[in-house]
Amino acid sequence: SAVISQKPSRDICQRGTSLTIQCQVDSQVTMMFWYRQQPGQSLTLIATANQGSEATYESGFVIDKFPISRPNLTFSTLTVSNMSPEDSSIYLCSGRTVTYEQYFGPGTRLTVT
Amino acid sequence: AQSVTQLGSHVSVSEGALVLLRCNYSSSVPPYLFWYVQYPNQGLQLLLKYTSAATLVKGINGFEAEFKKSETSFHLTKPSAHMSDAAEYFCAVSDRRGGADGLTFGKGTHLIIQP
Repeated sequence: SAVISQKPSRDICQRGTSLTIQCQVDSQVTMMFWYRQQPGQSLTLIATANQGSEATYESGFVIDKFPISRPNLTFSTLTVSNMSPEDSSIYLCSGRTVTYEQYFGPGTRLTVT
Repeated sequence: AQSVTQLGSHVSVSEGALVLLRCNYSSSVPPYLFWYVQYPNQGLQLLLKYTSAATLVKGINGFEAEFKKSETSFHLTKPSAHMSDAAEYFCAVSDRRGGADGLTFGKGTHLIIQP
């Protein structure tokens, strides 16, 4: 399986601030994605992180709120901007291999106060 | 648009009994299908996947799932439940749009194992 790490593992942030989450994957990964898991709920795809170009966002998610970068094949960042309490969630990075298996990082638990 | 329906937000079985977690999908093309498990306060672990090879897929921890195109189903089973199987289980689908899409998840099923 692919190895995926994220940091920070958790953070408590104040309303109106921004947090950048980092994700590192190993060389088995070709595609990278970001998901959100709101408390007690399932996962929702935020966007596909494209290497060297703008991310592809799903309906309901916009670049101004969730800017994403992927400067190289194995690293990506997700920023949660101008946070509000509704942004309190677990944010997960995932990587897909050439055999279409998608593995997830341990997640970043964000609490906005 | 693709979607996933997991019947039963909570399923309770006795230790040693059969585990059956239901998943139905809606997709315009034969999809790739996945089952994940999430233990409390942990990340998601891939149990198994279906990508158009054998319709009966064997995964980790004794789980297996059968792809039934006629029923648009991909139910997860395990012959004998163990206390350690208690967790949240998610079914997910990828509709193969150029191979570049992420996953659509079901709402999850919480599996409870009764001693």
